[in-house]
Amino acid sequence: QVQLVESGGGVVQPGTSLRLSCTTSGFTFSRYAMYWVRQASGKGLEWVAVIWHDGSTTYYRDSVRGRFTISRDSSTNTLHLQMNSLRAEDTAVYYCVRGFPETQWPTSLDSWGQGTLVTVSS
Amino acid sequence: DIVMTQSPVSLPVTPGEPASISCRSSESLLHGNGNTYLDWYLQKPGHSPQLLIYLVSNRAPGVPDRFSGSGSGTDFTLRISRVEAEDVGVYYCMQAVQTPPWTFGQGTKVEIK
Repeated sequence: QVQLVESGGGVVQPGTSLRLSCTTSGFTFSRYAMYWVRQASGKGLEWVAVIWHDGSTTYYRDSVRGRFTISRDSSTNTLHLQMNSLRAEDTAVYYCVRGFPETQWPTSLDSWGQGTLVTVSS
Repeated sequence: DIVMTQSPVSLPVTPGEPASISCRSSESLLHGNGNTYLDWYLQKPGHSPQLLIYLVSNRAPGVPDRFSGSGSGTDFTLRISRVEAEDVGVYYCMQAVQTPPWTFGQGTKVEIK
């Protein structure tokens, strides 16, 4: 079955960096767009970034563009999110999510990881 | 950006009774290809969100048929025909017609009376 396992979260100070990873299995990684979606404590869901199935296209929400970089490694079926210049408002659980349909502009989020907590605090 | 607005914010329900949640978008979610890009997600307490409904009315694999979605344009509804205790959690609608960004509603918390 589809498995998405995030790692790399932790407590960091403002202005520093963190790299999240998502190890995937149970599906053909290279055929699906992948997202990062975050959720601050007690708040709703917020799309962060997406990368196309072939890595050709990436999009970011305005508040993270220029600070975050989404990437993927098809040799290891792993998704990454490099987060630089972190701010307190980036504090959230970050979910790795598979996009659907495969090989097309993704319009649904059909499988979610368990999330990894990022806390930005001095 | 398209704004998604859900109502109610909180919904107390009685097991065995029906329930419905409304979602409205600030612009039409009808794409030029004829599809309407509106999804519903459920986040059960302590769990990650899961896809319930895509393209307005298509149940995701494994979703019970007591869940149904309907609507068009800017007005959408998620219905639960007979609520069960396991249906508690926060329900989110999401639009994907005009992306990026993918935008979610603020959520509707369903709890047992």
